[in-house]
Amino acid sequence: DSGVTQTPKHLITATGQRVTLRCSPRSGDLSVYWYQQSLDQGLQFLIQYYNGEERAKGNILERFSAQQFPDLHSELNLSSLELGDSALYFCASSGRGDPYTGELFFGEGSRLTVL
Amino acid sequence: AQTVTQSQPEMSVQEAETVTLSCTYDTSENNYYLFWYKQPPSRQMILVIRQEAYKQQNATENRFSVNFQKAAKSFSLKISDSQLGDTAMYFCAFMKRAYGGSQGNLIFGKGTKLSVKP
Repeated sequence: DSGVTQTPKHLITATGQRVTLRCSPRSGDLSVYWYQQSLDQGLQFLIQYYNGEERAKGNILERFSAQQFPDLHSELNLSSLELGDSALYFCASSGRGDPYTGELFFGEGSRLTVL
Repeated sequence: AQTVTQSQPEMSVQEAETVTLSCTYDTSENNYYLFWYKQPPSRQMILVIRQEAYKQQNATENRFSVNFQKAAKSFSLKISDSQLGDTAMYFCAFMKRAYGGSQGNLIFGKGTKLSVKP
């Protein structure tokens, strides 16, 4: 158990809809990362938050947005969903103790299926 | 921009044998980390081994070891005494060392699917 909790584990929705994925980082971790894993694109970095502020942005579509709340949990919002958004979305956290170990701790992922 | 390349989409090995997974990367950075992550069918991403670029000594974790060649930008993973539980996707990943209180993000290769056969 990595200590990172993601909900929901599975989600099925229709094109055009909006969903919210939630992530609770390990206790004390300040950084939260979101990754998308799909068959054709592999594992892609979407966005990173550090202590409530956006720290880095990767290949995140404009239809997607994220935020990190004062209690450090994070939400990834996906809107106007398309079939191609079907993927496994991972949240990871880091930053407790020595922040320079480089290690990220991953949740079990949220499997999104867009029909 | 950094890139990570895993040239072996799939590999198989007999139980108890040794297998080596290849990874090359491209970066102009001097301070960075390299990782191997394992993703079994349960889909959980599990850290296998970690290497800091400034350390010349190759990292080892029990049956897992790496061959880190900084000049060649190569970072291969050797699994000794392969076990059925090693069956998984293995991802090589790069992280630029960040400063100022937070770490950078991971850049992953496409992965190598390893099957351990009894």
